[in-house]
Amino acid sequence: AQSVAQPEDQVNVAEGNPLTVKCTYSVSGNPYLFWYVQYPNRGLQFLLKYITGDNLVKGSYGFEAEFNKSQTSFHLKKPSALVSDSALYFCAVRDPSGTYKYIFGTGTRLKVLA
Amino acid sequence: NAGVTQTPKFRILKIGQSMTLQCTQDMNHNYMYWYRQDPGMGLKLIYYSVGAGITDKGEVPNGYNVSRSTTEDFPLRLELAAPSQTSVYFCASTLRDAHEQYFGPGTRLTVT
Repeated sequence: AQSVAQPEDQVNVAEGNPLTVKCTYSVSGNPYLFWYVQYPNRGLQFLLKYITGDNLVKGSYGFEAEFNKSQTSFHLKKPSALVSDSALYFCAVRDPSGTYKYIFGTGTRLKVLA
Repeated sequence: NAGVTQTPKFRILKIGQSMTLQCTQDMNHNYMYWYRQDPGMGLKLIYYSVGAGITDKGEVPNGYNVSRSTTEDFPLRLELAAPSQTSVYFCASTLRDAHEQYFGPGTRLTVT
């Protein structure tokens, strides 16, 4: 069965410092992986995805993520955090050999401190 | 494009009442989804559809029904509301070859 784990409920980082939000997954085949961001009282917004190809993918607002097949991880990163990056971040996975369902992690709240 | 729109934004229901949450997308997306978001639980898939006339259950379908008569619309029906259905409901859509999902703004439902 597919699953996604986001081991940290909250990550605090100082403005200007690099940030990492962790995600690990479990699927039977090669995964499609996604990161979404949710601001208060809003729907989720797509940040970036890994489908195939280069393990380092770049997305919106300066975010990037690295697909690591051996560690089954897809951590979200940004070199320099902004206060406006404070939000709830979700990792999601889909097994392309299976159904069209997506499985979401429980979310990580990022707090960037001025 | 308006993207994915949902109505209503908020609703309070009494136990046993029924309602339909509306979802419309204008991007000609093939796939549509309904999720519920409970605090600390992430998103749970209720139902999804891969095209008009085709629907399938997700992780938590009990107490809900859906239909997909057109590509654009994917309404979610609650027949007998229960307090356990208090949640925020999100509709999403995906283009088959793009894979990322586009989400609506959500409907906050309270059942008392």
